[in-house]
Amino acid sequence: KAGVTQTPRYLIKTRGQQVTLSCSPISGHRSVSWYQQTPGQGLQFLFEYFSETQRNKGNFPGRFSGRQFSNSRSEMNVSTLELGDSALYLCASSFYGRGGPTDTQYFGPGTRLTVL
Amino acid sequence: DAKTTQPTSMDCAEGRAANLPCNHSTISGNEYVYWYRQIHSQGPQYIIHGLKNNETNEMASLIITEDRKSSTLILPHATLRDTAVYYCIVREPRDTGNQFYFGTGTSLTVIP
Repeated sequence: KAGVTQTPRYLIKTRGQQVTLSCSPISGHRSVSWYQQTPGQGLQFLFEYFSETQRNKGNFPGRFSGRQFSNSRSEMNVSTLELGDSALYLCASSFYGRGGPTDTQYFGPGTRLTVL
Repeated sequence: DAKTTQPTSMDCAEGRAANLPCNHSTISGNEYVYWYRQIHSQGPQYIIHGLKNNETNEMASLIITEDRKSSTLILPHATLRDTAVYYCIVREPRDTGNQFYFGTGTSLTVIP
């Protein structure tokens, strides 16, 4: 099976702009989670989507949003970009069973966002 | 928030076993221990996970103490490609969330 894919891999934006990142999960996986990784804060959970619904959300401002489509692909959007939003954004997919092996999350390569 | 404590860094000689410890003293009975690793600027890679029993796969072994308050990830024959940051994660029950809380991890350097 193909792994989790994320596009684009690299992105440069300026403050105040908005950005949309895309994630395609592993075939058959129904849950998609997003994480932000920065040198100062490490890996932090943003939100999780399952069946086109946001199930869990981390402690991030409302500028960070996401959605999931019927084919399980997901997008996340960051509006009014700030310098501090520069980070590696990671997407992870899982089957979303009832716990145990089927809930292992598999990560994509990430999108490196730089805000100037 | 992360529920695990790991050493900041470790070195291991190439070809030797790398033993990475993790403390998770507040783990609940139904929480799994997961291990991931991240090679510089790549996405985290799943290694192994367990609940109570020791586990082994083609990558590593996971030893969980009987009281489940700590565990050790063992890479039996470390190679230079095993140089990475290793994260030990306690995964909450499904009903309370699917997210993984990553701590700061252990930076493992395999030395030739």
